This record gives sequence, structure tokens and C-alpha cells, in this order.
Amino acid sequence: EIVLTQSPGTLSLSPGERATLSCRASQSVGSTYLAWYQQKPGQAPRLLIYGVSSRATGIPDRFSGSGSGTDFTLTISRLEPEDFAVYYCQHYGSSPPGTFGQGTKVEIK
Amino acid sequence: QVQLQQSGPGLVKPSQTLSLTCAISGDSVSSNSVAWNWIRQSPSRGLEWLGRTYYRSKWYNDYAVSVKGRITINPDTSKNQFSLQLNSVTPEDTAVYYCARDWGKFVWGTYRGDAFDLWGQGTMVTVSS
Repeated sequence: EIVLTQSPGTLSLSPGERATLSCRASQSVGSTYLAWYQQKPGQAPRLLIYGVSSRATGIPDRFSGSGSGTDFTLTISRLEPEDFAVYYCQHYGSSPPGTFGQGTKVEIK
Repeated sequence: QVQLQQSGPGLVKPSQTLSLTCAISGDSVSSNSVAWNWIRQSPSRGLEWLGRTYYRSKWYNDYAVSVKGRITINPDTSKNQFSLQLNSVTPEDTAVYYCARDWGKFVWGTYRGDAFDLWGQGTMVTVSS
């Protein structure tokens, strides 16, 4: 089973700053089957990025995903107040579905 | 607008059965294009996929190894919903339970799932006497 490790655990930034979140897989997941989700307190996760770099419907272009193999990155170019949340990466496409990372919390500095 | 609406009890006694329902609006449980999933989240286990049901000329189910033997996911075409039953629960099954959709494909007899693009609102289930 592929294990996803996210870093850092917590990212303390100010609105307007750039956020870079990392997701490392224990073995190659290829270049396609990696997603990112955003979760706010009391809410379900929301799909941000699928296929490593494709934005889901309605997701602003300040969110971008990149990477391949075992190293993936979610970048938020300029943090808006509503972006402070927990972010999860997920490997999918296998059967059964892959696991989620443990999450990175982006908090206001 | 497609929505998933969850319902079910928030408290279940140990050794009993956890039962939740996910009602679908704006899509069909019998769609040939998607799968309907159950996922749970707890502080100790994080986000954990539990299982799915999907229709590709006939009904299929896949379950996580961690709950296999205790879990059943059933579609209900008359009500356009699907359900989760988890038997013999213990306090370890305490979590927020979500239903979710993915647009995976059947490839060479194996379902290749996709990202979860639609989620229910979540149900906090506590297992306690």
C-alpha cells in the first residue's frame, strides 16, 4: 500500500503570502492519480486538484498542483482569508482506492 | 445541482450495527459513470476509504480490507440512495462518516477510481454504551 506523507504539518503564513505544501509517496504513483482536498472545520473535504494539476470546477487559479513520481506540490499563489484550512493529498486509481495523507494545516500567522 | 444528503443515528452501542443512508439528488445511484463511496475520518485514523458501490450493467461492491466482513453497502434504486451498514462496532469505529462520488472507470475487469468530487455533509457517529 502506498503511504503519503505531507509536510509541513502546519504552515503559518499571512494573507497575501505564497503557500507551498508537499506530499511525498512511499512509491511512485505515476503522473496522473494524485488529488488535493481542502477541509475547513465542520465541513467535508472539497476537491481542489485532480490528475496532479487539473483544477476542479470552481476552484480559483491561485491554486495549482504539480509533481510526478513520488513528489507532489500544492501551491497557493497568494493566500486569501478563506484559504486557511487543512489540506490533504490522496492517491487514487488503484483498486481499492489509495490512502490520504495526514494533512497540512495552513494557519494565519 | 447535485447533492448528497446523509442521515442516520449519531450514537451506536458497542457490538451493534452502524447504519447510514446517503440520498442522491441531481444524479442517479444507477449511473454507469460513477461510483458511490463511504469514507470516514477520525483523529487516530485520518481519512479512511471504507467501500463503494457502482453499476456497470450489474452491481458491484468493493470494500476496504480493514472493515471487510463487517461492512455492507447497498444501493436503493427506488429511493435513489445508498446505505452503509457496519456490524459489530467498537469505540474504534467512532468517526465522522461521509458519502462521496467518484467518476472512475472499469478497466480490464477492475474499477479504477477517480478523485472524490462530491461529498455529503458528514455524520458524526459515536460508538459508546
